[in-house]
Amino acid sequence: KNQVEQSPQSLIILEGKNCTLQCNYTVSPFSNLRWYKQDTGRGPVSLTIMTFSENTKSNGRYTATLDADTKQSSLHITASQLSDSASYICVVVTNAGKSTFGDGTTLTVKP
Amino acid sequence: GAGVSQSPRYKVAKRGQDVALRCDPISGHVSLFWYQQALGQGPEFLTYFQNEAQLDKSGLPSDRFFAERPEGSVSTLKIQRTQQEDSAVYLCASSEDRVGTGELFFGEGSRLTVL
Repeated sequence: KNQVEQSPQSLIILEGKNCTLQCNYTVSPFSNLRWYKQDTGRGPVSLTIMTFSENTKSNGRYTATLDADTKQSSLHITASQLSDSASYICVVVTNAGKSTFGDGTTLTVKP
Repeated sequence: GAGVSQSPRYKVAKRGQDVALRCDPISGHVSLFWYQQALGQGPEFLTYFQNEAQLDKSGLPSDRFFAERPEGSVSTLKIQRTQQEDSAVYLCASSEDRVGTGELFFGEGSRLTVL
């Protein structure tokens, strides 16, 4: 049913380490793909937005990649910090403006 | 305003009660969306407004759910005769984009608990 699948469901890493989160989608027609960070008890905050023609976009320590042919995206976090602990949600938007959200990856960064 | 504001942040209702959740979008934003987010899951689309027009309400789970945006600014999501399965966080988002493909700005959400 879910047209946006994220993996892993949860991840624990040590502070300072890197990690990569995955997103596979079947949603079409594709307009753009977004990664959001959602802290516990807060609303999602946009990290990156990528259109069909973009295959990489960075926002500080966050780098998102997009392969529109295989319908896969990844979010790479470099030199993790305790404040990176959150849920990371992949969202695919159609040309009609309809957003489909993944269930998110819960990242825990430990000291 | 500076961001999307939602109220109340927390609401506890007895089963059968009616509730109203308010969303104050960013000033001038044309598009407004309501989402329902269950624990551990991503937000699920409920309804979409372009100014005061409700263009899509396909995600509303039943006729107990009703949303309005009468003046194209503040929106209210009303749930009648609440049931336990309505317990969730209700997120509001706004966008200056007319179609909905632009960036979405989310509020903090209203957490509804139905006892």
